[in-house]
Amino acid sequence: GENVEQHPSTLSVQEGDSAVIKCTYSDSASNYFPWYKQELGKRPQLIIDIRSNVGEKKDQRIAVTLNKTAKHFSLHITETQPEDSAVYFCAALIQGAQKLVFGQGTRLTINP
Amino acid sequence: EAEVAQSPRYKITEKSQAVAFWCDPISGHATLYWYRQILGQGPELLVQFQDESVVDDSQLPKDRFSAERLKGVDSTLKIQPAELGDSAMYLCASSLSEGLGGYTFGSGTRLTVV
Repeated sequence: GENVEQHPSTLSVQEGDSAVIKCTYSDSASNYFPWYKQELGKRPQLIIDIRSNVGEKKDQRIAVTLNKTAKHFSLHITETQPEDSAVYFCAALIQGAQKLVFGQGTRLTINP
Repeated sequence: EAEVAQSPRYKITEKSQAVAFWCDPISGHATLYWYRQILGQGPELLVQFQDESVVDDSQLPKDRFSAERLKGVDSTLKIQPAELGDSAMYLCASSLSEGLGGYTFGSGTRLTVV
């Protein structure tokens, strides 16, 4: 079945610097890759997503890149702010099954 | 903005007792999912419904867990008997059956088994 690996498990950056989180997936049939932000005790919230026919997508300070050949995708946050501190999860959707498989999460801490 | 409703938000139960969680998906979303999220880990799919039918329950511990979606709308997840290792956040999500995206999570039920 699909397996999604996410790295790093923890990431600490200075406010204003950039943060990058990387994920790899195993099922080449996966065609949709969302990223979720989860604050303590709250639900995962979709922050950005990318489909397999696109290589990069950007929304203000957040961008996601996808390399289908290598089966990896990354989240880039620029000009980080304290409110970016949270746990971030990547996921991959198995085509046809409509099932999301999640990575293990990255705890991002922005230091003021 | 439409939301996935879940209740209760928090539940404390003693081991060996029965516990049930309820989920009402976004109107029109044919696909409903129950995920379990252990603290510090990513959500793990327990069961997936398409309308009232189970599509995937391969990760559901069927000796103690059951799920139903009788009318293809709201859903109930039950654990009987609860074990200490069941302590986790139980998240419900829904999506449109066709197309991609539109995958929305509810606020979850945090279960503590003592």
